[in-house]
Amino acid sequence: AQSVTQPDIHITVSEGASLELRCNYSYGATPYLFWYVQSPGQGLQLLLKYFSGDTLVQGIKGFEAEFKRSQSSFNLRKPSVHWSDAAEYFCVGRYNFNKFYFGSGTKLNVKP
Amino acid sequence: DAGVIQSPRHEVTEMGQEVTLRCKPISGHDYLFWYRQTMMRGLELLIYFNNNVPIDDSGMPEDRFSAKMPNASFSTLKIQPSEPRDSAVYFCASSPHREGTGELFFGEGSRLTVL
Repeated sequence: AQSVTQPDIHITVSEGASLELRCNYSYGATPYLFWYVQSPGQGLQLLLKYFSGDTLVQGIKGFEAEFKRSQSSFNLRKPSVHWSDAAEYFCVGRYNFNKFYFGSGTKLNVKP
Repeated sequence: DAGVIQSPRHEVTEMGQEVTLRCKPISGHDYLFWYRQTMMRGLELLIYFNNNVPIDDSGMPEDRFSAKMPNASFSTLKIQPSEPRDSAVYFCASSPHREGTGELFFGEGSRLTVL
């Protein structure tokens, strides 16, 4: 069965440090992959998406993600975290046209 | 361009009352989804529509919940009667078809509190 997994529930990093959030999708048909961010009291905003082609995709707010088929992963990265990046991040896979599978989310705390 | 518009943003009601949440998707999008978000269960898909037709309502908790999409620009999610356990943030999202590659566009959500 299709699924998307985010193994880290909470992550804390210092402001200015690099960040990597992990995402794995179930083996089999490669879904279309997305990363969303949700700030408190807000809806989910798309950061970036991967369909095919270049496996390193750039997104908004300085984020990037790398698709690795061999590891069934689509990890989100940012070289230098800002306090405003504190939020919850969701990895999402779209299978079979209309099935979206959400990871359980990773809450990012940023230490000053 | 306007995004997905939901109303009301906040609703406080008493147990047993009817609640209606509204959503206006982005023009031209083929799919409309209703999600519920709680601390305990995270994001749950309730129902989705394709070209105004309900396709999968297996996530609707029980008969107290109903959803309609009378036209391409409007959808409602109704809870009757409401219960305290229905307290959650309800999100509407729309998506273009784009041969299955389109992303979800979310509204700001409707925060429901049932006392």
